[in-house]
Amino acid sequence: AQSVTQLGSHVSVSEGALVLLRCNYSSSVPPYLFWYVQYPNQGLQLLLKYTSAATLVKGINGFEAEFKKSETSFHLTKPSAHMSDAAEYFCAVIRSGNTGKLIFGQGTTLQVKP
Amino acid sequence: DAGITQSPRHKVTETGTPVTLRCHQTENHRYMYWYRQDPGHGLRLIHYSYGVKDTDKGEVSDGYSVSRSKTEDFLLTLESATSSQTSVYFCAISVGTDNNEQFFGPGTRLTVL
Repeated sequence: AQSVTQLGSHVSVSEGALVLLRCNYSSSVPPYLFWYVQYPNQGLQLLLKYTSAATLVKGINGFEAEFKKSETSFHLTKPSAHMSDAAEYFCAVIRSGNTGKLIFGQGTTLQVKP
Repeated sequence: DAGITQSPRHKVTETGTPVTLRCHQTENHRYMYWYRQDPGHGLRLIHYSYGVKDTDKGEVSDGYSVSRSKTEDFLLTLESATSSQTSVYFCAISVGTDNNEQFFGPGTRLTVL
């Protein structure tokens, strides 16, 4: 069965500092992996996705993630945090098969301090 | 925003009452999903649909039913609401040739007293 684990429910960084949000997955087959962002009182917005085309995936708002099969990881990074990055971030994996059912991690709340 | 709307956006109801949430899409996508979001759990799949009248259960389907009589509408019903169903409910559609990208609606905040 596929699953996703996000390490750290809350991450706090200073403005301008590196953002690193951790995601590990388990999957018996090559997965599709996603990062979504949710701003307060809003729906989820797709940040980026990995679909086996390239291991380093660039997304919106300066975020990127690297797929590392040997570590079963898909960590999200951004070189320099901005106040507007404060939000909740979700890692997700597609359940096997072609029905598109997503399995989400528990979420990580990113706080950006001035 | 992939043309997804949800109604109502907010609802307060009492235990034991039936509740129906509506998801509407404007682009004729085949796959539609209902998730609930709870602190510490991320989003969990309740039910999904892969076509008109074709639905299946997700991981937290107990106490919920769905219907899809038209491509554009996917309804989620709580036959007899309980306090444990207080949550934020999100509808999503799947796009792409292999359904590997989902877009989400704005959500419905449901409170069961």
